[in-house]
Amino acid sequence: DAGVIQSPRHEVTEMGQEVTLRCKPISGHDYLFWYRQTMMRGLELLIYFNNNVPIDDSGMPEDRFSAKMPNASFSTLKIQPSEPRDSAVYFCASRWTSGSNEQFFGPGTRLTVL
Amino acid sequence: DAKTTQPPSMDCAEGRAANLPCNHSTISGNEYVYWYRQIHSQGPQYIIHGLKNNETNEMASLIITEDRKSSTLILPHATLRDTAVYYCIVRVAYDKIIFGKGTRLHILP
Repeated sequence: DAGVIQSPRHEVTEMGQEVTLRCKPISGHDYLFWYRQTMMRGLELLIYFNNNVPIDDSGMPEDRFSAKMPNASFSTLKIQPSEPRDSAVYFCASRWTSGSNEQFFGPGTRLTVL
Repeated sequence: DAKTTQPPSMDCAEGRAANLPCNHSTISGNEYVYWYRQIHSQGPQYIIHGLKNNETNEMASLIITEDRKSSTLILPHATLRDTAVYYCIVRVAYDKIIFGKGTRLHILP
């Protein structure tokens, strides 16, 4: 199994630019989660989807952040415009409803906004 | 989710058992105890979970006290590769995970 795939692994951009992070969940999983990790705030849940529908976006920090899941195998997290305080590692995770309920995390995207 | 309390850091000698404590005194009857770990620069990894009974898998054992107000994750023979941040999480099944600060475990050679 390929596991959760995220791209790009590293992104460096300038303040004001649009950033798009991508995630491919494990095939068959019906939940998808986006997290952000910083030294100051730790791991924060931003938003999660069930069957491609956003269920809880209360963790999305501002309107500059948006997430979509157009189909079961793809999700994006977009930041527009980006700011230096958005610099963090962004993780995507997925799981399926049945089973042990464990979440499988991707390798993360390290975003640096200059 | 119920809050959990974990020591910020612990040391353990390689080859010895690592015992990581977690307090969750406000846990509800339908809340599970989950453990995840995060090795440096990687995404978190599921370890084990339990409701009332002790659990064991190929990675670790989970001991939950009878009143369910605390638990201990046991890594039976710690190796250098077990150096990581360990998160104890209490939640209702199928609910979202809220990560705390965890315990940074250092395995000493």
